[in-house]
Amino acid sequence: QKEVEQNSGPLSVPEGAIASLNCTYSDRGSQSFFWYRQYSGKSPELIMFIYSNGDKEDGRFTAQLNKASQYVSLLIRDSQPSDSATYLCAVNMEGFKTIFGAGTRLFVKA
Amino acid sequence: DTGVSQDPRHKITKRGQNVTFRCDPISEHNRLYWYRQTLGQGPEFLTYFQNEAQLEKSRLLSDRFSAERPKGSFSTLEIQRTEQGDSAMYLCASSSAGLSNTEAFFGQGTRLTVV
Repeated sequence: QKEVEQNSGPLSVPEGAIASLNCTYSDRGSQSFFWYRQYSGKSPELIMFIYSNGDKEDGRFTAQLNKASQYVSLLIRDSQPSDSATYLCAVNMEGFKTIFGAGTRLFVKA
Repeated sequence: DTGVSQDPRHKITKRGQNVTFRCDPISEHNRLYWYRQTLGQGPEFLTYFQNEAQLEKSRLLSDRFSAERPKGSFSTLEIQRTEQGDSAMYLCASSSAGLSNTEAFFGQGTRLTVV
């Protein structure tokens, strides 16, 4: 089992729709969870982080964490073509080693 | 510029040569990470430091790879006897060492091409 798993996609949504990205992780001791956006040829850019169970909202982005299910998700409301990118889920494992999933490619169609 | 800085941005080298990359983290950050990323994959953990101490190195990492952070500030990643399979983007990230506020921020990466 991979430490951090994501559906590779591509996930295609129409402009204005909600994009839902999911991630599961293996280490029950993990405490910190992150979502990064990566455009082609660029380095990852942090867009959300969450430490506690529940929802965390920042603008059009909502991160959701369920530690019991070892599940993290990212919702993007009112998706825009500029949101088209690869979204990486990252988890701080015990000892603060940050492990990344393989990423989900998102396409937002105008 | 107070972000993470990596040098060089691009490196082309012949197979068998040694290469060294540098990373300057955000100044108040005491954790520093190195990752490798190939096309279509997420960043693969290589190693990380807390201050000058190297706390973990990936089991998948060949002995040809070594990293240092001698004074707990900048770090170097050296690859000896490069192979074509080493061609990738090498990413450095830094974060603070608290129990919270552990978000890691990336540099722009060093793209290595081994020919």
